[in-house]
Amino acid sequence: AAGVIQSPRHLIKEKRETATLKCYPIPRHDTVYWYQQGPGQDPQFLISFYEKMQSDKGSIPDRFSAQQFSDYHSELNMSSLELGDSALYFCASRKTRGFSGNTIYFGEGSWLTVV
Amino acid sequence: AQSVTQPDIHITVSEGASLELRCNYSYGATPYLFWYVQSPGQGLQLLLKYFSGDTLVQGIKGFEAEFKRSQSSFNLRKPSVHWSDAAEYFCAVGSPNFGNEKLTFGTGTRLTIIP
Repeated sequence: AAGVIQSPRHLIKEKRETATLKCYPIPRHDTVYWYQQGPGQDPQFLISFYEKMQSDKGSIPDRFSAQQFSDYHSELNMSSLELGDSALYFCASRKTRGFSGNTIYFGEGSWLTVV
Repeated sequence: AQSVTQPDIHITVSEGASLELRCNYSYGATPYLFWYVQSPGQGLQLLLKYFSGDTLVQGIKGFEAEFKRSQSSFNLRKPSVHWSDAAEYFCAVGSPNFGNEKLTFGTGTRLTIIP
C-alpha cells in the first residue's frame, strides 16, 4: 500500500540558509500534518492543513512556513536556519472526510542537519 | 489541553518475557489513543489505535492495549517479546474534534531486549 512520501530523506544546511521539505500524502488523504522531533525528544506538532487550508498550528517558529498544494502535497519552508533546527521532520496524512478510522499515518521523516 | 504521560523512560526485558508499557492521558472527553513504534533512525509505525468500542485492542506484531477510562490509561502489552521489538515506543492522544485532531505524543519509552 502507498505510504506517506517525504523528500529529501537527508539534508545538510548551514546556519542562516533555507531548506524546503516536501511531503506527498497517501492518495485520497486530504489532511497533512508536520511534526518536528529533536534528538531524543518526542515529536512536536508544527502545523496541519485540510483541503489546502491551514487547519491547526502548533509550535512552529515564525521562520518556518508551510502550504498544501492543489495536488495535496505539502512543503515546509524553513529560513534563517539555526543549529537548533536540526531534527527529524515528519509529515503525516489522514483522510478526514468520510469514515476513515481517523488514523494518522506518518512518513519516514526527513533528517535536517544544520551546521 | 490534551497531554500524555509515559512514566517509564527506559525499560529492559529479557527476550521471551512479557512486556507492559504504561501510558496515561489527560483529555476532557473520550480521546483517540494510539501507540507508535520508532526504530532507530526510522519513522513512526502505528502499532494499534483505540477510537471506541471494545476497550482491548489488538495491533500488529502481537501487541495489544487496553483502554481504562477510570484510570485514564492505555497501556501496551505483549506476552512474549522478541529481540526485534527493541525500539522507542510512543503513546499518543488525539482529539475527535475536527480541526483539532493533531496528535500529542508522550515522551516515549525506550525498550531494550536482553538475550
